[in-house]
Amino acid sequence: NAGVMQNPRHLVRRRGQEARLRCSPMKGHSHVYWYRQLPEEGLKFMVYLQKENIIDESGMPKERFSAEFPKEGPSILRIQQVVRGDSAAYFCASSPQQMSEAFFGQGTRLTVV
Amino acid sequence: DAKTTQPPSMDCAEGRAANLPCNHSTISGNEYVYWYRQIHSQGPQYIIHGLKNNETNEMASLIITEDRKSSTLILPHATLRDTAVYYCIVRPNVMDSSYKLIFGSGTRLLVRP
Repeated sequence: NAGVMQNPRHLVRRRGQEARLRCSPMKGHSHVYWYRQLPEEGLKFMVYLQKENIIDESGMPKERFSAEFPKEGPSILRIQQVVRGDSAAYFCASSPQQMSEAFFGQGTRLTVV
Repeated sequence: DAKTTQPPSMDCAEGRAANLPCNHSTISGNEYVYWYRQIHSQGPQYIIHGLKNNETNEMASLIITEDRKSSTLILPHATLRDTAVYYCIVRPNVMDSSYKLIFGSGTRLLVRP
């Protein structure tokens, strides 16, 4: 059973471009969480999704950021018009149920130049 | 906001037990104590969780005080690969919650050769 897969592992974007980060949860997991970790800082919750539904987006910036978890395929975190401050590691986690432990992927490191 | 307090750093000798404390004096009856660790810049790794009974798995033991206001994570025989930031997290377990994990600053554990 493969773990949580995130791709790409590293992503470089110029200011103003769009970044798409993908997260494939573990098999049988229908709950996905996204976190952001700025350099030398802690992990900050962004959004929690179940299949086709956003449950909690209290940590998402109000503009430029969006997330989805379609019925088929991976969860996508989309950042439009990236700025240098978006440079960070973005981690996703998945769990089979709401009250289960969550398992993290290895992250996508976004660098905005 | 994190509901736990941990020492910022600790160290222990390789082969000895590492005892990582955590205070969670405002924990409520329906909240679990979770422990994760993050090795260098990798994705957080689930270690163990518990409600009120002590728990043990292949990685660690979790000792929760009777009043549940504090807990200790024990790595029985620390190795150099256990050097990481350890996060103690209280997580709600009620149906109207998003069950998100809120990471604090954690304890940076250094295992010395």
